[in-house]
Amino acid sequence: KNEVEQSPQNLTAQEGEFITINCSYSVGISALHWLQQHPGGGIVSLFMLSSGKKKHGRLIATINIQEKHSSLHITASHPRDSAVYICAAPRGATNKLIFGTGTLLAVQP
Amino acid sequence: SQTIHQWPATLVQPVGSPLSLECTVEGTSNPNLYWYRQAAGRGLQLLFYSIGIDQISSEVPQNLSASRPQDRQFILSSKKLLLSDSGFYLCAASGGAVFGVTGELFFGEGSRLTVL
Repeated sequence: KNEVEQSPQNLTAQEGEFITINCSYSVGISALHWLQQHPGGGIVSLFMLSSGKKKHGRLIATINIQEKHSSLHITASHPRDSAVYICAAPRGATNKLIFGTGTLLAVQP
Repeated sequence: SQTIHQWPATLVQPVGSPLSLECTVEGTSNPNLYWYRQAAGRGLQLLFYSIGIDQISSEVPQNLSASRPQDRQFILSSKKLLLSDSGFYLCAASGGAVFGVTGELFFGEGSRLTVL
């Protein structure tokens, strides 16, 4: 069993739909990262959160440390949101990341 | 803000040839530096991390090595490439004098290596 698990692995949505991607982890962490990997391969850090909720534009990330669960929500999805979304948990003081397997999101117009 | 430059962006190399990927960081000093690899259709794997000059740890045994000759320079090398070395390589940085213990991560643009 992976220490960081994501679901679903693949997600197809229609433009405008509300999207939720889930991440569960078994390691003890102080924070969790949500990353976005574009088709070209580049990775952008979307959020790093240790409690509660963070919002950036149409993206919302929540985390429940006690339940070891985090969700990434996209409101009013758009085709440009199509990407792989990855959650990652840092381990130890050196911030080495344990990655989820990623969720491939395709938003169709 | 912190910026990571990584090059080359794309590389096609024959088996047995050497490799050098370079990563430089701007905007902070004394960052933690990481090399990750993503094989086709697979997740990211940590290859090396460094907490300071000449302080490098390897996560998995492999045909690659890393060096950090300067505080903000991280180099990934191989003396003889294997077919299995093909993949997408990402440099990342965290911490440092500016961003401290925020834990925020910054990624380079990535280098796509194809070994033929």
